[in-house]
Amino acid sequence: AQSVAQPEDQVNVAEGNPLTVKCTYSVSGNPYLFWYVQYPNRGLQFLLKYITGDNLVKGSYGFEAEFNKSQTSFHLKKPSALVSDSALYFCAVRPSPGGKLIFGQGTELSVKP
Amino acid sequence: EAQVTQNPRYLITVTGKKLTVTCSQNMNHEYMSWYRQDPGLGLRQIYYSMNVEVTDKGDVPEGYKVSRKEKRNFPLILESPSPNQTSLYFCASRSGGDINEQFFGPGTRLTVL
Repeated sequence: AQSVAQPEDQVNVAEGNPLTVKCTYSVSGNPYLFWYVQYPNRGLQFLLKYITGDNLVKGSYGFEAEFNKSQTSFHLKKPSALVSDSALYFCAVRPSPGGKLIFGQGTELSVKP
Repeated sequence: EAQVTQNPRYLITVTGKKLTVTCSQNMNHEYMSWYRQDPGLGLRQIYYSMNVEVTDKGDVPEGYKVSRKEKRNFPLILESPSPNQTSLYFCASRSGGDINEQFFGPGTRLTVL
C-alpha cells in the first residue's frame, strides 16, 4: 500500500536553531511532493513542492526541503527557527499524475524562545 | 482575495439530524475536495470533484454525500450524522494540473452528540 510517514509526532526546537521535520514515503513512480502548514484554528497553507529538477526546493517563510530519491524522503528544513514557526506540518505525496494526494499524519513543531 | 470559504465554522448537532457544510471558492478551480482531519490520522479524503457534475469517492466516503452543481460550490451533506463523524472538516480546491497545490478553507469543527 502507498503511504506517507512523518516519524515524529512532535519536534521541539529552540529559537534560532535549525529545524528539520522528517517525511518518508512509499509510493510507486515519480511522485509529486508537498509540504503544508496548519496554524491553530486555520486551514492548511501551502509551503513548497517538489515536482522535478533540483533536489533542494525553497518555499515560503524561509523553509526549504530536500528530495532524496534513494531514501524516499522529503525532509522540511529551516536554518533558523522562529517562535512563529510553531504549528502543525503535513507532508503530502501524489504518487503519479492522476494519483490521489496522500497526507502524512502531521508533526507538531514547537519553537521555544 | 483568493480564498476558500466554509460555513459553519463550528457546529454541534445530535445523531440523525441532517446537516450541510457549505464550501465555496472564488478562484475558478476545477478540482475540489473534502477532507476530515483526526488526531494521528492526518487528512483523509472524503469525496472529490473534478468539475461540475463530476464527483467521486475518496478514502472515507461512508455517511457523506456531495454535489457539484456550480463550479464554485461543493457542499458536504451528512444525511444522518453519527458520533464517529465528529471531526474537523476541510474543503480544498486547486486548478486542474496535478502539480498544483491545494487551497484549503478554514475548517469546520463538527461535534455529533
